[in-house]
Amino acid sequence: GENVEQHPSTLSVQEGDSAVIKCTYSDSASNYFPWYKQELGKRPQLIIDIRSNVGEKKDQRIAVTLNKTAKHFSLHITETQPEDSAVYFCAASIMTNAGKSTFGDGTTLTVKP
Amino acid sequence: EPEVTQTPSHQVTQMGQEVILRCVPISNHLYFYWYRQILGQKVEFLVSFYNNEISEKSEIFDDQFSVERPDGSNFTLKIRSTKLEDSAMYFCARTGDMNTEAFFGQGTRLTVV
Repeated sequence: GENVEQHPSTLSVQEGDSAVIKCTYSDSASNYFPWYKQELGKRPQLIIDIRSNVGEKKDQRIAVTLNKTAKHFSLHITETQPEDSAVYFCAASIMTNAGKSTFGDGTTLTVKP
Repeated sequence: EPEVTQTPSHQVTQMGQEVILRCVPISNHLYFYWYRQILGQKVEFLVSFYNNEISEKSEIFDDQFSVERPDGSNFTLKIRSTKLEDSAMYFCARTGDMNTEAFFGQGTRLTVV
């Protein structure tokens, strides 16, 4: 089955700096990669996703990149703000069954004001 | 606003007791999923449910677990004889069709004592 590894497990940045979270996956059949933000005690919420037919996607301060050959994908947050502090999860799935995802272990992002 | 509503928000039960967690879709969704998140850990897929049948399940979803849609609306997860290690957040998720991302409910925190 699919295995998703996520790094780093914790990340602390100064407000205004950029944050990068990296993930790798093992199953070459995976072609859909969502990213979730989870605040303490809350549900995971989708913040951005990328499908394997594109290499990069951007939404305001958030961008994702995908390298299918290397089976790597990354989340980039620019101009970080304290409200970006949360746990971020990457995930991988097959688009025809996008509701069933394999999650990474999560990255706890702390943005210091 | 969550796409699905879960009840109860918190359930405390004694070891060995049966619990039923409920998920109420807001609109007529076809695909449902249950995920589990042990405190401080990653989100883990349990089971997917389509057209009133289990379509896929993980290794975690053993004989202690069952899912059904008893009245055509509510979608339930039953744990027959709870163990301490079943303590976790349980999230119901839905997709509108196979090609869209999963939206999570608020979760039910299950505490087994």
